[in-house]
Formats: sequence, structure tokens, C-alpha cells
Amino acid sequence: QSALTQPASVSGSPGQSITISCTGTSSDIGSSNLVSWYQQHPGKAPKLMIYEGTKRPSGVSNHFSGSKSGNTASLTISGLQADDEAHYYCCSLAGRSTWVFGGGTKLTVL
Amino acid sequence: QVQLVQSGAEVTKPGASVKLSCKASGYTFISRYVHWVRQAPGQGLEWMGIINPTDGGTSYAQKFRGRVTVTRGTSTSTVYMELRSLRSEDTAVYYCARDLSGSGSEGVAFDIWGQGTMVTVSS
Repeated sequence: QSALTQPASVSGSPGQSITISCTGTSSDIGSSNLVSWYQQHPGKAPKLMIYEGTKRPSGVSNHFSGSKSGNTASLTISGLQADDEAHYYCCSLAGRSTWVFGGGTKLTVL
Repeated sequence: QVQLVQSGAEVTKPGASVKLSCKASGYTFISRYVHWVRQAPGQGLEWMGIINPTDGGTSYAQKFRGRVTVTRGTSTSTVYMELRSLRSEDTAVYYCARDLSGSGSEGVAFDIWGQGTMVTVSS
């Protein structure tokens, strides 16, 4: 199972919006609504930000949103804040009870 | 509060095995799947496997099949992950993570994470 494809890095200024893409295949993202996104700050465990493609867990700010089209999922962060600077990983169901992550994207807030 | 507490760091030699633990508290243990995910130094997240604590059913990433075993102890609300035939490339932080879902689904997402266990494989 190959990793999902994410850009290595993205950047934006405070207040701006950015979008991180996550490209898979018809065997994972294309055939599943079970796409999730995780935020990871250095030295910390990942944190769930989006699940089932578009849903936010309780406590996650509404300036995070998710979408999916075909084999590509996207995470949009609007109104960038300094604390949003972190690594972001997408994840998808990739067959019966198996999962695959993206390679990760480093977000820099300029 | 809901939490997963993992065992401490391990240093081991190539060819050996390691068995990590992940103790759940604050929720009904058998109601949610538990996953294992690892992260090599400076690298991304890699999914390893999942267990259904209700019946002990498991599924593993193809890369680890034959080398990994995930088990659970229902009386202690603990999940274990054993990785065998270790090599230097297995040096990583290993996380357990609870799923949003349990029996009756394939899982949804990983909502609660343990603090991670560093495993170092070195001769």
C-alpha cells in the first residue's frame, strides 16, 4: 500500500487561507469517505482535526475544514494563526480494515 | 479523562523482539478499536495495525505481516504490540491510538493518542 501524496511544505501569512492536498487512488480516497486529517506539533502526538472527510471533532476550531473530490482530499485552514504552524497528515481507509497515511506537509506561518 | 498510557522507552539489538503496552482508561475498553502507528525520526506517520478489543480480531499493514502481533488484555484494558526480527529501520516512536468507532465498522479515525514509546534498535 503506497502512501498518499501530500506537498512537502506550504506557507502563508497570518490571516490568510491555505489548502493542503492529499492525493490517493481509487482504492483508498476514491472509494472511501473515511479520510481524516491530523495536526502534529514538534515532539507531540498527532491530534485529530477532521474525520469522515468534512467533520470536526468537538473542540477543533471551525477555521479548519475538509473536502474531497475524486481521489483527492483537501484540508483548508482559513485565517491562519501562528499556532497553526505544524505538520499535517492525511489518512484514508485503504481496503478492508487497513489504513494509509500521507507523507505529511509542513505548514509555515510567515 | 479518556487517555492511553504507553510503556517506557526501549533500547534493543537487531534481531530481537520488543513488546509495547498501551493502557486505556476513562472509557469502556471494548467499545473502541485501537491502532498502532509509528514514526521514524524526522519522518511521517506509518499505520501498522488495528485490534478489536471485543473479540481480539486484528488487521495488519502488509509491510508488517508476519513480524507484528497485536493482542489485548480485557481485564487490564491494555493493548500490546509485539514486533519481531527488529532492524535499525524499526527505530521510531510507536503510538497507540483509539478509534472513534468499534465493532460493526472498519474504523473511522484516531481520536485519542498515547504519548508514544521510543524504540531504538542498535548494535
